[in-house]
Amino acid sequence: GNSVTQMEGPVTLSEEAFLTINCTYTATGYPSLFWYVQYPGEGLQLLLKATKADDKGSNKGFEATYRKETTSFHLEKGSVQVSDSAVYFCALSDRNNFNKFYFGSGTKLNVKP
Amino acid sequence: GAGVSQSPRYKVAKRGQDVALRCDPISGHVSLFWYQQALGQGPEFLTYFQNEAQLDKSGLPSDRFFAERPEGSVSTLKIQRTQQEDSAVYLCASSSKDRALYGYTFGSGTRLTVV
Repeated sequence: GNSVTQMEGPVTLSEEAFLTINCTYTATGYPSLFWYVQYPGEGLQLLLKATKADDKGSNKGFEATYRKETTSFHLEKGSVQVSDSAVYFCALSDRNNFNKFYFGSGTKLNVKP
Repeated sequence: GAGVSQSPRYKVAKRGQDVALRCDPISGHVSLFWYQQALGQGPEFLTYFQNEAQLDKSGLPSDRFFAERPEGSVSTLKIQRTQQEDSAVYLCASSSKDRALYGYTFGSGTRLTVV
């Protein structure tokens, strides 16, 4: 089946620290991979995506590389800001069923000044 | 509209009460989805519409849950005889393109608390 596993949070970092949030997946087909971010009181926003192996998605200083050999899609940022504090969700969409997304349980990031 | 709008933002229901949650998708988006997000968890799929047709309702947890989109735009998720385990945030999302490539646009959700 399809599933996504994320590292548990919360993750607490100081401003300008390096961020890694691990994400691994299992999929029956060849999935597309996504990171969504949820700020307090708001809906989920698409942060970045990758649709095939070795693709790198990037946005707002965040990056993630689609690693088929390790079934991973880890989120990284070189220097976090207080405004990055949010919950981050890794997700996949199986190309055999475009109508469902499978989400991880989310990782809360707290960035302290 | 500019985004996906959901109402109400918060709903408190007594156990056994019926509730109706509304979603206004982005204008022109033919695909509409409902997800349920329990506290501390990721969203879980409930149901999917393409225009007015409900093409997948495999995620609805019981026959107390019912969704409709009669004119292919606004959608309503109805929960009958609410139970405490129904307490969650209900998210609506819409998409106009290949979801596998572009993902969804989510609303802010309706937080349902059953007491």
